[in-house]
Amino acid sequence: DMKVTQMPRYLIKRMGENVLLECGQDMSHETMYWYRQDPGLGLQLIYISYDVDSNSEGDIPKGYRVSRKKREHFSLILDSAKTNQTSVYFCASSPGTGGEQYFGPGTRLTVL
Amino acid sequence: TQTVSQSDAHVTVFEGDSVELRCNYSYGGSIYLSWYIQHHGHGLQFLLKYYSGNPVVQGVNGFEAEFSKSDSSFHLRKASVHWSDSAVYFCAVSPLPGTGSNRLTFGKGTKFSLIP
Repeated sequence: DMKVTQMPRYLIKRMGENVLLECGQDMSHETMYWYRQDPGLGLQLIYISYDVDSNSEGDIPKGYRVSRKKREHFSLILDSAKTNQTSVYFCASSPGTGGEQYFGPGTRLTVL
Repeated sequence: TQTVSQSDAHVTVFEGDSVELRCNYSYGGSIYLSWYIQHHGHGLQFLLKYYSGNPVVQGVNGFEAEFSKSDSSFHLRKASVHWSDSAVYFCAVSPLPGTGSNRLTFGKGTKFSLIP
Protein backbone atom coordinates (compact mmCIF):
# COMPACT_ATOMS: atom_id res chain seq x y z
CA ASP A 1 0.00 0.00 0.00
CA MET A 2 1.46 3.35 -1.07
CA LYS A 3 2.13 5.52 1.90
CA VAL A 4 3.59 8.80 3.08
CA THR A 5 4.36 8.90 6.79
CA GLN A 6 5.11 11.85 9.04
CA MET A 7 6.61 11.99 12.49
CA PRO A 8 5.75 13.27 14.95
CA ARG A 9 2.02 13.88 14.51
CA TYR A 10 1.86 16.48 17.25
CA LEU A 11 4.64 18.65 18.63
CA ILE A 12 4.81 21.50 21.11
CA LYS A 13 7.96 23.60 21.27
CA ARG A 14 9.04 26.83 22.89
CA MET A 15 10.13 29.84 20.86
CA GLY A 16 13.81 29.58 19.99
CA GLU A 17 13.97 25.79 20.13
CA ASN A 18 14.94 23.73 17.11
CA VAL A 19 12.35 21.58 15.37
CA LEU A 20 12.80 18.53 13.19
CA LEU A 21 9.87 17.16 11.18
CA GLU A 22 10.39 13.88 9.40
CA CYS A 23 8.71 12.45 6.32
CA GLY A 24 9.03 9.09 4.63
CA GLN A 25 7.58 7.47 1.53
CA ASP A 26 7.72 3.91 0.27
CA MET A 27 6.95 4.58 -3.41
CA SER A 28 10.45 5.53 -4.62
CA HIS A 29 9.12 8.90 -5.76
CA GLU A 30 11.83 11.31 -6.84
CA THR A 31 9.97 14.50 -5.96
CA MET A 32 8.89 15.43 -2.45
CA TYR A 33 7.37 18.55 -0.93
CA TRP A 34 6.79 20.35 2.34
CA TYR A 35 3.70 22.53 2.81
CA ARG A 36 2.12 24.35 5.66
CA GLN A 37 -1.62 24.84 6.00
CA ASP A 38 -3.19 27.70 7.92
CA PRO A 39 -6.85 28.73 8.16
CA GLY A 40 -7.72 31.18 5.41
CA LEU A 41 -4.38 30.80 3.67
CA GLY A 42 -4.76 27.36 2.19
CA LEU A 43 -1.67 25.32 1.38
CA GLN A 44 1.62 27.13 1.06
CA LEU A 45 4.65 25.46 -0.49
CA ILE A 46 7.80 25.69 1.61
CA TYR A 47 10.31 23.50 -0.27
CA ILE A 48 10.50 21.03 -3.14
CA SER A 49 13.05 18.26 -3.40
CA TYR A 50 13.65 16.79 -6.86
CA ASP A 51 15.88 14.01 -5.52
CA VAL A 52 18.69 13.40 -3.03
CA ASP A 53 20.50 16.69 -2.30
CA SER A 54 18.48 18.52 -4.99
CA ASN A 55 16.21 20.97 -3.18
CA SER A 56 14.51 24.18 -4.26
CA GLU A 57 12.73 26.92 -2.39
CA GLY A 58 8.99 27.14 -2.61
CA ASP A 59 6.91 30.21 -1.89
CA ILE A 60 7.68 30.64 1.82
CA PRO A 61 11.14 29.19 2.57
CA LYS A 62 12.24 31.83 5.08
CA GLY A 63 12.84 30.32 8.50
CA TYR A 64 12.99 26.76 7.18
CA ARG A 65 15.55 24.42 5.73
CA VAL A 66 15.35 20.89 4.42
CA SER A 67 17.48 17.81 4.13
CA ARG A 68 17.17 14.87 1.78
CA LYS A 69 19.96 12.31 2.05
CA LYS A 70 17.90 9.30 0.96
CA ARG A 71 15.20 9.24 -1.72
CA GLU A 72 12.60 7.91 0.69
CA HIS A 73 13.22 10.44 3.43
CA PHE A 74 12.74 14.23 3.53
CA SER A 75 13.20 16.38 6.63
CA LEU A 76 12.02 19.89 7.47
CA ILE A 77 14.10 21.81 10.00
CA LEU A 78 13.19 24.96 11.87
CA ASP A 79 16.23 26.53 13.47
CA SER A 80 15.04 28.65 16.38
CA ALA A 81 11.29 28.27 15.97
CA LYS A 82 9.02 31.29 16.04
CA THR A 83 5.43 31.56 17.22
CA ASN A 84 4.26 32.40 13.69
CA GLN A 85 5.48 28.97 12.59
CA THR A 86 2.65 27.38 14.52
CA SER A 87 0.80 25.48 11.81
CA VAL A 88 -0.04 22.10 10.34
CA TYR A 89 2.77 20.81 8.16
CA PHE A 90 2.22 18.36 5.33
CA CYS A 91 4.71 16.34 3.40
CA ALA A 92 3.89 14.99 -0.05
CA SER A 93 5.52 12.98 -2.78
CA SER A 94 4.88 12.77 -6.51
CA PRO A 95 5.34 9.99 -9.06
CA GLY A 96 6.24 12.62 -11.66
CA THR A 97 3.31 11.83 -13.95
CA GLY A 98 1.69 15.22 -13.55
CA GLY A 99 -1.12 16.43 -11.33
CA GLU A 100 -0.70 13.83 -8.61
CA GLN A 101 0.74 14.18 -5.18
CA TYR A 102 0.40 11.85 -2.22
CA PHE A 103 0.18 13.50 1.15
CA GLY A 104 1.10 12.42 4.63
CA PRO A 105 -1.26 12.80 7.61
CA GLY A 106 0.33 16.04 8.76
CA THR A 107 2.21 17.30 11.83
CA ARG A 108 0.49 19.82 14.06
CA LEU A 109 3.24 22.08 15.42
CA THR A 110 2.61 24.56 18.20
CA VAL A 111 5.34 27.05 19.07
CA LEU A 112 4.75 28.76 22.42
CA THR B 1 1.17 32.86 -13.64
CA GLN B 2 -1.22 30.09 -12.75
CA THR B 3 -4.30 30.88 -10.71
CA VAL B 4 -7.05 28.63 -9.41
CA SER B 5 -10.36 30.00 -8.24
CA GLN B 6 -12.90 28.08 -6.20
CA SER B 7 -15.76 30.53 -5.98
CA ASP B 8 -17.74 28.72 -3.30
CA ALA B 9 -16.18 28.72 0.14
CA HIS B 10 -18.93 26.50 1.54
CA VAL B 11 -21.52 24.22 -0.08
CA THR B 12 -24.25 22.35 1.77
CA VAL B 13 -26.78 19.83 0.44
CA PHE B 14 -28.96 17.01 1.76
CA GLU B 15 -27.76 13.42 1.76
CA GLY B 16 -28.64 11.80 -1.54
CA ASP B 17 -28.62 15.10 -3.44
CA SER B 18 -26.23 15.81 -6.28
CA VAL B 19 -23.46 18.36 -5.91
CA GLU B 20 -21.17 20.37 -8.14
CA LEU B 21 -18.06 22.05 -6.78
CA ARG B 22 -16.72 24.72 -9.08
CA CYS B 23 -13.17 25.37 -10.17
CA ASN B 24 -11.90 27.93 -12.67
CA TYR B 25 -8.31 28.41 -13.65
CA SER B 26 -6.05 30.59 -15.71
CA TYR B 27 -2.83 29.38 -17.26
CA GLY B 28 -1.05 30.08 -20.50
CA GLY B 29 0.04 26.59 -21.47
CA SER B 30 -0.78 22.91 -21.22
CA ILE B 31 -1.60 21.81 -17.70
CA TYR B 32 -2.86 19.03 -15.53
CA LEU B 33 -6.03 19.70 -13.55
CA SER B 34 -6.66 17.78 -10.35
CA TRP B 35 -9.04 17.49 -7.44
CA TYR B 36 -8.14 16.54 -3.89
CA ILE B 37 -10.23 15.82 -0.82
CA GLN B 38 -9.26 16.57 2.76
CA HIS B 39 -11.24 15.08 5.61
CA HIS B 40 -10.98 16.88 8.93
CA GLY B 41 -7.69 16.16 10.64
CA HIS B 42 -6.18 14.34 7.67
CA GLY B 43 -3.92 15.02 4.74
CA LEU B 44 -5.10 15.66 1.21
CA GLN B 45 -6.09 12.66 -0.87
CA PHE B 46 -5.86 12.63 -4.66
CA LEU B 47 -9.28 12.14 -6.34
CA LEU B 48 -8.76 12.50 -10.08
CA LYS B 49 -6.94 14.41 -12.78
CA TYR B 50 -7.29 15.52 -16.38
CA TYR B 51 -4.77 16.29 -19.06
CA SER B 52 -6.29 15.43 -22.41
CA GLY B 53 -8.86 13.22 -24.12
CA ASN B 54 -12.38 12.66 -22.82
CA PRO B 55 -13.24 15.85 -20.91
CA VAL B 56 -15.17 13.88 -18.30
CA VAL B 57 -12.90 11.97 -15.96
CA GLN B 58 -13.96 9.48 -13.33
CA GLY B 59 -12.48 9.34 -9.85
CA VAL B 60 -12.95 7.30 -6.73
CA ASN B 61 -16.19 7.01 -4.76
CA GLY B 62 -18.45 8.15 -7.61
CA PHE B 63 -16.81 11.51 -8.22
CA GLU B 64 -16.31 12.83 -11.72
CA ALA B 65 -15.05 16.10 -13.13
CA GLU B 66 -15.58 17.81 -16.45
CA PHE B 67 -13.03 19.95 -18.23
CA SER B 68 -14.18 22.90 -20.33
CA LYS B 69 -11.59 24.80 -22.30
CA SER B 70 -14.02 27.54 -23.31
CA ASP B 71 -14.97 28.22 -19.69
CA SER B 72 -11.51 27.49 -18.23
CA SER B 73 -13.25 25.26 -15.75
CA PHE B 74 -12.86 21.86 -14.15
CA HIS B 75 -15.94 21.32 -12.00
CA LEU B 76 -16.30 18.32 -9.70
CA ARG B 77 -19.61 16.48 -9.48
CA LYS B 78 -21.25 13.64 -7.65
CA ALA B 79 -24.73 12.34 -8.38
CA SER B 80 -25.70 11.23 -4.86
CA VAL B 81 -23.71 12.37 -1.86
CA HIS B 82 -23.12 10.52 1.38
CA TRP B 83 -22.18 11.66 4.85
CA SER B 84 -18.65 10.41 4.27
CA ASP B 85 -18.26 12.97 1.46
CA SER B 86 -18.22 15.83 3.97
CA ALA B 87 -14.76 17.35 3.61
CA VAL B 88 -12.82 20.20 2.08
CA TYR B 89 -12.18 19.86 -1.64
CA PHE B 90 -9.22 21.44 -3.39
CA CYS B 91 -8.79 22.05 -7.09
CA ALA B 92 -5.22 22.26 -8.40
CA VAL B 93 -3.30 22.94 -11.60
CA SER B 94 0.22 21.93 -12.52
CA PRO B 95 2.41 22.30 -15.59
CA LEU B 96 3.49 19.33 -17.64
CA PRO B 97 6.22 17.19 -16.10
CA GLY B 98 9.64 18.06 -17.39
CA THR B 99 8.84 21.70 -17.98
CA GLY B 100 10.96 22.76 -15.04
CA SER B 101 8.41 22.64 -12.25
CA ASN B 102 6.66 19.81 -10.49
CA ARG B 103 4.57 22.05 -8.29
CA LEU B 104 0.83 22.22 -7.86
CA THR B 105 -1.06 25.48 -7.51
CA PHE B 106 -4.06 24.93 -5.23
CA GLY B 107 -7.31 26.80 -4.91
CA LYS B 108 -8.44 27.97 -1.49
CA GLY B 109 -10.75 24.99 -1.10
CA THR B 110 -14.50 24.45 -0.83
CA LYS B 111 -15.90 23.09 2.39
CA PHE B 112 -18.64 20.61 1.59
CA SER B 113 -21.07 19.51 4.27
CA LEU B 114 -24.43 17.78 4.49
CA ILE B 115 -27.51 19.26 6.07
CA PRO B 116 -28.53 17.07 9.03
